[in-house]
Amino acid sequence: DGGITQSPKYLFRKEGQNVTLSCEQNLNHDAMYWYRQDPGQGLRLIYYSQIVNDFQKGDIAEGYSVSREKKESFPLTVTSAQKNPTAFYLCASSRSNRGTDGELFFGEGSRLTVL
Amino acid sequence: EDQVTQSPEALRLQEGESSSLNCSYTVSGLRGLFWYRQDPGKGPEFLFTLYSAGEEKEKERLKATLTKKESFLHITAPKPEDSATYLCAVQVGRAGTALIFGKGTTLSVSS
Repeated sequence: DGGITQSPKYLFRKEGQNVTLSCEQNLNHDAMYWYRQDPGQGLRLIYYSQIVNDFQKGDIAEGYSVSREKKESFPLTVTSAQKNPTAFYLCASSRSNRGTDGELFFGEGSRLTVL
Repeated sequence: EDQVTQSPEALRLQEGESSSLNCSYTVSGLRGLFWYRQDPGKGPEFLFTLYSAGEEKEKERLKATLTKKESFLHITAPKPEDSATYLCAVQVGRAGTALIFGKGTTLSVSS
């Protein structure tokens, strides 16, 4: 079945460590996104990519990094510079065609806890 | 600054008790408004897209409407399985720009 796979589902990190969250899609979508969700908060955009080898910062990019070397993959690295990384991270993708690019397909999410 | 505000934050209904969720927005150049459903611990699931004032979309017990300043998600005769958080999002400007999400309304339907 087509979809988005995020891994790991749960991750624990010590302060000062970098961690990488995986996001893979087999929907042949051009655009991919990373959102962060905190309790009682809406989804906040970290980074997005509309095409391979190109990506843009979102509203809260500080302390995060991404790469887009393949159409199917958009990994997110949470660096030690991120002050409050404990959160639920959501990866999404969309077709970039006009009129459908707001219809996002989300993965199941990765919950990161900093100990 | 573009903003999306959802109300109420939480809503408790009895099974069969119809109600509406509100999404008000202050944006320049609305391209589209989107509704998503999110179950606990899961990623959001797309429900509807609305593009212009006066437009309506329906799916089972849900109907979404759009005016120039707000959107409503009407829930008719809800069932316990409709319990979830409902998120509203807007896309502003040109195609390809990322969505701006509201904080959501958490709906609980009891039998």
